[in-house]
Amino acid sequence: EAGVAQSPRYKIIEKRQSVAFWCNPISGHATLYWYQQILGQGPKLLIQFQNNGVVDDSQLPKDRFSAERLKGVDSTLKIQPAKLEDSAVYLCASSFLAGGHISETQYFGPGTRLLVL
Amino acid sequence: RKEVEQDPGPFNVPEGATVAFNCTYSNSASQSFFWYRQDCRKEPKLLMSVYSSGNEDGRFTAQLNRASQYISLLIRDSKLSDSATYLCVVNRGRNTDKLIFGTGTRLQVFP
Repeated sequence: EAGVAQSPRYKIIEKRQSVAFWCNPISGHATLYWYQQILGQGPKLLIQFQNNGVVDDSQLPKDRFSAERLKGVDSTLKIQPAKLEDSAVYLCASSFLAGGHISETQYFGPGTRLLVL
Repeated sequence: RKEVEQDPGPFNVPEGATVAFNCTYSNSASQSFFWYRQDCRKEPKLLMSVYSSGNEDGRFTAQLNRASQYISLLIRDSKLSDSATYLCVVNRGRNTDKLIFGTGTRLQVFP
């Protein structure tokens, strides 16, 4: 079974530039998460989708971050404009619905390492 | 107080040693508990869920103490391949799939 795919794997940009990350979850997984992991910290949830709807974006800095999952499969996360403190690994994860309930087991992609100079 | 607290380590242990990691969580309504493993520059992967009765998977044993809001992971007979960061993970509250990750405890097993 194919895992969660993410691209690009690495990105270096200058502050105030824009950047976009792409995620393709495991086939059939209705729930998709974007996390930010700063060096030395655990992943922090940015946004959660169920199918193409947003379930939780309470920790997403909406002045500069946006995300979408238009067809309920792939998702993109955008930062515009980027700040130095956005340097982190951006992880995408997915989980499936079982009997109407979201499985708590989340499967992570390899992440995109972002460096903002 | 952080929602999930762990000793960041590193724990440096020889092969064959037994090592234990501890974790505390602040939300008494949390119901689901996990240990994830994260290798250097890799994504987190589920190691094991933690049940109230405790559970064992080979050399790994997880324990939960709800009264003290404390979770532990014991690794017996450490292998070089156990070197990684171990993340303590708790769900945010009652009936939610939202997970809160600790900062992780780094383990280095040496020959």
